Amino acid sequence: AQTVTQSQPEMSVQEAETVTLSCTYDTSESDYYLFWYKQPPSRQMILVIRQEAYKQQNATENRFSVNFQKAAKSFSLKISDSQLGDAAMYFCAYRSAGVAGGGADGLTFGKGTHLIIQP
Amino acid sequence: GAGVSQSPSNKVTEKGKDVELRCDPISGHTALYWYRQSLGQGLEFLIYFQGNSAPDKSGLPSDRFSAERTGGSVSTLTIQRTQQEDSAVYLCASSLVIQTDYGYTFGSGTRLTVV
Repeated sequence: AQTVTQSQPEMSVQEAETVTLSCTYDTSESDYYLFWYKQPPSRQMILVIRQEAYKQQNATENRFSVNFQKAAKSFSLKISDSQLGDAAMYFCAYRSAGVAGGGADGLTFGKGTHLIIQP
Repeated sequence: GAGVSQSPSNKVTEKGKDVELRCDPISGHTALYWYRQSLGQGLEFLIYFQGNSAPDKSGLPSDRFSAERTGGSVSTLTIQRTQQEDSAVYLCASSLVIQTDYGYTFGSGTRLTVV
């Protein structure tokens, strides 16, 4: 079974600064997808960025980028020019690329990092 | 609908009572997923539907939990004889197809409190 670990329960950053959230995972698979989700107080999980394991290039979405280190099984999220609206819980998630025999198709989540933005 | 809709938004129930949680996915999305988020924890995958079929129910925490989906649309998660440890936020998500390589669209969840 896969596991996802987020070692930082809480992070704080000054507005306009850069912050990096850590995520490591454990898997024996070679092909998979990794995601970062944001959960504001509204509870809705919002997709921030995704990475395909077979692509070496790190994904980027505006102020959000990842550092994907496949050999180290590390998938950190960097938020540049932090804004007050970035304050939320951030979850790292893993999903297998292929499911043989009708196995579970859900995402495996870490326990999350609470990001605080200081004005 | 425009997004994934869940009802009720909040539910308080007495221990031992049955509850039904509803999820209305995005129109046309064939895949639907249920997750449970306990306080201070990440999301725990419960079950997914491909159309009306749930191929793998092993993620359900106990036999008090059941889920169904009819007409390839609305899904209901039922918890019988609720216990205090069932208190959590139950999130539903949908995607256009199963095994999509994109993320899912989530609803805002139902916060269940068992007293």
